[in-house]
Amino acid sequence: AQSVTQPDIHITVSEGASLELRCNYSYGATPYLFWYVQSPGQGLQLLLKYFSGDTLVQGIKGFEAEFKRSQSSFNLRKPSVHWSDAAEYFCAVEGGTASKLTFGTGTRLQVTL
Amino acid sequence: DSGVTQTPKHLITATGQRVTLRCSPRSGDLSVYWYQQSLDQGLQFLIQYYNGEERAKGNILERFSAQQFPDLHSELNLSSLELGDSALYFCASSALLSSGPHEQYFGPGTRLTVT
Repeated sequence: AQSVTQPDIHITVSEGASLELRCNYSYGATPYLFWYVQSPGQGLQLLLKYFSGDTLVQGIKGFEAEFKRSQSSFNLRKPSVHWSDAAEYFCAVEGGTASKLTFGTGTRLQVTL
Repeated sequence: DSGVTQTPKHLITATGQRVTLRCSPRSGDLSVYWYQQSLDQGLQFLIQYYNGEERAKGNILERFSAQQFPDLHSELNLSSLELGDSALYFCASSALLSSGPHEQYFGPGTRLTVT
């Protein structure tokens, strides 16, 4: 069965600093990987996805993620964080006979001014 | 705005009661998924429907059931509610089912509080 690990529960960065959120997955076949963001009281918004091809994928709001098969990782990055990026970020993998998503436990991002 | 709508936004009810959560998928999407988000369990897949038929089941309790109607909206029925059922329930939708990957678009959720 697939699984996702987000080792950082909570991260604090200063506005303007770079950001990297870690995600490790476990899945036997080619994974389909996603990053979602959840602002307080809101639903989940899709930031970016990896299906195949170029291992560096670009998403919305200036985010990017790099798929590294050898490390089973799909880390999310942003070169310069804005205060509005404060939210909870979820990494997810799709796989198996159902197209269900298996989510990590999330990383809460706090941005200091 | 993802295009997925959920009603109601908030629901407060007592233990032992039964509630129905409603979801309308994005225009053209045939697949609907239900997820539960709670503090202790995180985000968990409950059930998936495709064009009116159940497609996959996850960690869904027997007290919970769902259906998808001909107009493609879906309802999640929760019965004999317990305090532990308090959670945020999300609906998501995606386009035609195929062997490839699917982008799922999430609604704003229904926050259920059982007292």
